[in-house]
Amino acid sequence: NAGVTQTPKFRVLKTGQSMTLLCAQDMNHEYMYWYRQDPGMGLRLIHYSVGEGTTAKGEVPDGYNVSRLKKQNFLLGLESAAPSQTSVYFCASRGTSGGPYEQYFGPGTRLTVT
Amino acid sequence: QQQVKQSPQSLIVQKGGISIINCAYENTAFDYFPWYQQFPGKGPALLIAIRPDVSEKKEGRFTISFNKSAKQFSLHIMDSQPGDSATYFCAASMNTGFQKLVFGTGTRLLVSP
Repeated sequence: NAGVTQTPKFRVLKTGQSMTLLCAQDMNHEYMYWYRQDPGMGLRLIHYSVGEGTTAKGEVPDGYNVSRLKKQNFLLGLESAAPSQTSVYFCASRGTSGGPYEQYFGPGTRLTVT
Repeated sequence: QQQVKQSPQSLIVQKGGISIINCAYENTAFDYFPWYQQFPGKGPALLIAIRPDVSEKKEGRFTISFNKSAKQFSLHIMDSQPGDSATYFCAASMNTGFQKLVFGTGTRLLVSP
């Protein structure tokens, strides 16, 4: 049981390049989330999904797209990376039982855009 | 914008001391108040959570105190240990529609030996 895994762990992009971050969970969780973490700003929700095939915008969705084609995977895409997207990205998942705060986080992806 | 304000930004406590981190919120619709612990290079992990109908919740050396009238809650770490050195985030969630977490800005705790 690996929990929540994220690929890659680190990435450096040049402005304008695109990339996809992969999140996978093996807990059969319905809900999945993408956050970004920046110094002094805590975690901010980018997009989330309440089930396979559904996605919704969070607090800071601009410049990102997501897809949830399979229940266990949640992909975060950057179509044209900008330096403002330099951040640490965390994926999280939650089951339908338990409290809304019981999110399980992955280890993060550190992205630098030059 | 729903917000949770957290202080201090950083904290240094001697081993055996009490670490106290405070959070305040404005939206009275929040109904769960969790704390997350994050070690360097790792994702946050749920530490302890409280509902607003409870004034205090204790789990081992960790205690949440909740003041509903003041709209404030705090995390107390008793007998702080070097292994407690981490970043702590308070958060709040709201039971209207899809429940999302709103995080505080984090407190970096260093417990000196």
